[in-house]
Amino acid sequence: EPEVTQTPSHQVTQMGQEVILRCVPISNHLYFYWYRQILGQKVEFLVSFYNNEISEKSEIFDDQFSVERPDGSNFTLKIRSTKLEDSAMYFCATRRTDTQYFGPGTRLTVL
Amino acid sequence: QKEVEQDPGPLSVPEGAIVSLNCTYSNSAFQYFMWYRQYSRKGPELLMYTYSSGNKEDGRFTAQVDKSSKYISLFIRDSQPSDSATYLCAMRPYNFNKFYFGSGTKLNVKP
Repeated sequence: EPEVTQTPSHQVTQMGQEVILRCVPISNHLYFYWYRQILGQKVEFLVSFYNNEISEKSEIFDDQFSVERPDGSNFTLKIRSTKLEDSAMYFCATRRTDTQYFGPGTRLTVL
Repeated sequence: QKEVEQDPGPLSVPEGAIVSLNCTYSNSAFQYFMWYRQYSRKGPELLMYTYSSGNKEDGRFTAQVDKSSKYISLFIRDSQPSDSATYLCAMRPYNFNKFYFGSGTKLNVKP
């Protein structure tokens, strides 16, 4: 069964550094999402992406964040200058029609 | 008022019990309704999907949508310790990309 994959599974970085989180969507899925989940808290929507552009974003998704599909297959989330409060699980999700499927997540730890 | 409300629990039941999990919502435009199961430190896993109103059954799981009351439910029959997880409801309006999530209900099934 096709799956969404994410790399790395765990990323440790210093505050102020840039990180790029990668996602490989399920083939033929056209809609892509990033979510964040701080430990013990709810899943928070960050951004949705369709047809090579952002379709919706939350107030969390400020100028420090960006998304792109650099090569037509990967879908990336970049955080330009990480802060301590960016420490969380980041989930990619993709969908073709009605439902979305999640990847296993990247645990980001900012020191 | 939050778009989607879900009791965070925790809900503790004995093995074999019938579990009822619920979400209420405020946006009458929601058309697609999903339930996800999330184990600790893992990505949400799609359990059930329902379009508009009605019931849907899959094995031990039954999803119900009552659009007139803006209320959705997930029933788990013959609950097992392996069902212990956080259950997230999610929903989306027609022709919008963004999904709206509940905060999740933590379920503990005791052997």
